[in-house]
Amino acid sequence: AQSVTQPDIHITVSEGASLELRCNYSYGATPYLFWYVQSPGQGLQLLLKYFSGDTLVQGIKGFEAEFKRSQSSFNLRKPSVHWSDAAEYFCAVGPFSGGYNKLIFGAGTRLAVHP
Amino acid sequence: DTAVSQTPKYLVTQMGNDKSIKCEQNLGHDTMYWYKQDSKKFLKIMFSYNNKELIINETVPNRFSPKSPDKAHLNLHINSLELGDSAVYFCASSQDLGEQFFGPGTRLTVL
Repeated sequence: AQSVTQPDIHITVSEGASLELRCNYSYGATPYLFWYVQSPGQGLQLLLKYFSGDTLVQGIKGFEAEFKRSQSSFNLRKPSVHWSDAAEYFCAVGPFSGGYNKLIFGAGTRLAVHP
Repeated sequence: DTAVSQTPKYLVTQMGNDKSIKCEQNLGHDTMYWYKQDSKKFLKIMFSYNNKELIINETVPNRFSPKSPDKAHLNLHINSLELGDSAVYFCASSQDLGEQFFGPGTRLTVL
């Protein structure tokens, strides 16, 4: 069955430090992969997406992610974290058979940033 | 301009009541969705409509009934509300298999 695993429930980093959030997926074909961010009390905003092509994708707010088919991973990275990056981050995979654009989300990783 | 909007933002109600949440998108997308986010922040799709036609129904209790009067609107009606229905409900829209754009969410609290 298709699934997304985000192994880290909660991560704390210092402002200015680098960040990597892990995402592993289980999917029968080449997936579409997404990272969304949810600030407290807000909706979800797309950070970046991978459909095909270059496996290193750039997103908004200085984030990037790398698709590694051999490891079934799509980890999110940022070289220098800002206090405003504190939020919940969700990895998602889609679509599904029949062309249904259903996203399966991971459980999320909560990022805290120390000054 | 708000791309995907939901009303109300907060909804507090008693068990057994019936309530509706409305969603509108001005992106011209063909497909709209409802997701439920539980207290642990887990997001799960409930329904999807494409051009007013139901295409995904994820074994949601039939107390939940989506309605799409046109492709820019997708409403969610919930009958006989239960404590377990308390959650944040997100509406989203997309064009074909593209990225999904999410609304700000409706926090439903059932007392």
